[in-house]
Amino acid sequence: SQTIHQWPATLVQPVGSPLSLECTVEGTSNPNLYWYRQAAGRGLQLLFYSVGIGQISSEVPQNLSASRPQDRQFILSSKKLLLSDSGFYLCAWSPSDQPQHFGDGTRLSIL
Amino acid sequence: AQRVTQPEKLLSVFKGAPVELKCNYSYSGSPELFWYVQYSRQRLQLLLRHISRESIKGFTADLNKGETSFHLKKPFAQEEDSAMYYCALNPGTYKYIFGTGTRLKVLA
Repeated sequence: SQTIHQWPATLVQPVGSPLSLECTVEGTSNPNLYWYRQAAGRGLQLLFYSVGIGQISSEVPQNLSASRPQDRQFILSSKKLLLSDSGFYLCAWSPSDQPQHFGDGTRLSIL
Repeated sequence: AQRVTQPEKLLSVFKGAPVELKCNYSYSGSPELFWYVQYSRQRLQLLLRHISRESIKGFTADLNKGETSFHLKKPFAQEEDSAMYYCALNPGTYKYIFGTGTRLKVLA
């Protein structure tokens, strides 16, 4: 069966430090992959999605970037974190034309 | 613009009372709509999708194209239904549009 792994679960970083959040999917090939930010009262904001290796679409211009170095690996990065980057980040995957499946999320706190 | 609106941030009902979580969407074509649920300390997970026309955990949702709504209903709420509920729209692309969510609290 398919599974999605997202880590770390929590992360505390100083302002100006780099970021790397990783998400991997097992048991499927060529999934669509997504990064969301979940904020209280604001729902899920789609940040990036990818339909294939090296194909990244950005939804919101910001301090973050995403990469897909392998078919089932999706990475969310930043070179210099801002206080406003604090939040809860969710990775999701879906087969083509099917509903999304979400990971456990990463709570990122910027100090 | 494509949008999903969940007007209630918090909905409190007593156990055994009917529940209706509202969802309205803005989309000119034929959308695919979903309800996702997040129980405490669990992953966000799919509850139901409109094309399935099925009842999951006693919940149903009917797509009303005239009113552009996809409200989630359950005739008798249970305490274990307490959770965060998100309505989502897939306008036929890879992008999903989520509402801001409604927290349901079922009181004993």
